[in-house]
Amino acid sequence: DSGVTQTPKHLITATGQRVTLRCSPRSGDLSVYWYQQSLDQGLQFLIQYYNGEERAKGNILERFSAQQFPDLHSELNLSSLELGDSALYFCASSVGTGLTEKLFFGSGTQLSVL
Amino acid sequence: AQKITQTQPGMFVQEKEAVTLDCTYDTSDPSYGLFWYKQPSSGEMIFLIYQGSYDQQNATEGRYSLNFQKARKSANLVISASQLGDSAMYFCAMREGTYNTGRRALTFGSGTRLQVQP
Repeated sequence: DSGVTQTPKHLITATGQRVTLRCSPRSGDLSVYWYQQSLDQGLQFLIQYYNGEERAKGNILERFSAQQFPDLHSELNLSSLELGDSALYFCASSVGTGLTEKLFFGSGTQLSVL
Repeated sequence: AQKITQTQPGMFVQEKEAVTLDCTYDTSDPSYGLFWYKQPSSGEMIFLIYQGSYDQQNATEGRYSLNFQKARKSANLVISASQLGDSAMYFCAMREGTYNTGRRALTFGSGTRLQVQP
């Protein structure tokens, strides 16, 4: 158990809908990262937050947004969903942003858009 | 350009034998870290081993070791005495360190699927 909690584990929805994925980082971790894993794109970095502030953006679509709350949990919002958004979405956390710090991953949310 | 390249989509190894999973990387940053993660069929990402660009010795963690060849920009994972439970996807990842110190996401390769045969 990595200590990172993601909910829900599975999500099935229809095209055009909006969903929210939730992540609770490990106790004490200030940095949260969101990744998308799909068969054709592999593991793609979406966005990073540190202590409530956005720090970096990767390949995140404009239809997607995220935030980190004062209690450090984070939410990833996906809207106007398309079939191609079906993927495994990971949240990861680390204490800070040091070079050597490993990321601890949650078990992921499997999103299926039908 | 790809920053992390894993050229072996799939590998087979016999139980109890050693296996090397290849990883090459591309960066102009003198300060960086290299990571290996394991993803079993259950889906979670498990950290295995870390190597820093300034580390003089190759990293080792139990049965895992990292063959770090800085001049060749390679960071191959060696698993000794393979076990059936080692069957999984293995990902190499890099974090660059000198610039944009607040931005420290890992960049992952495409992975290698390892199957350990009895």
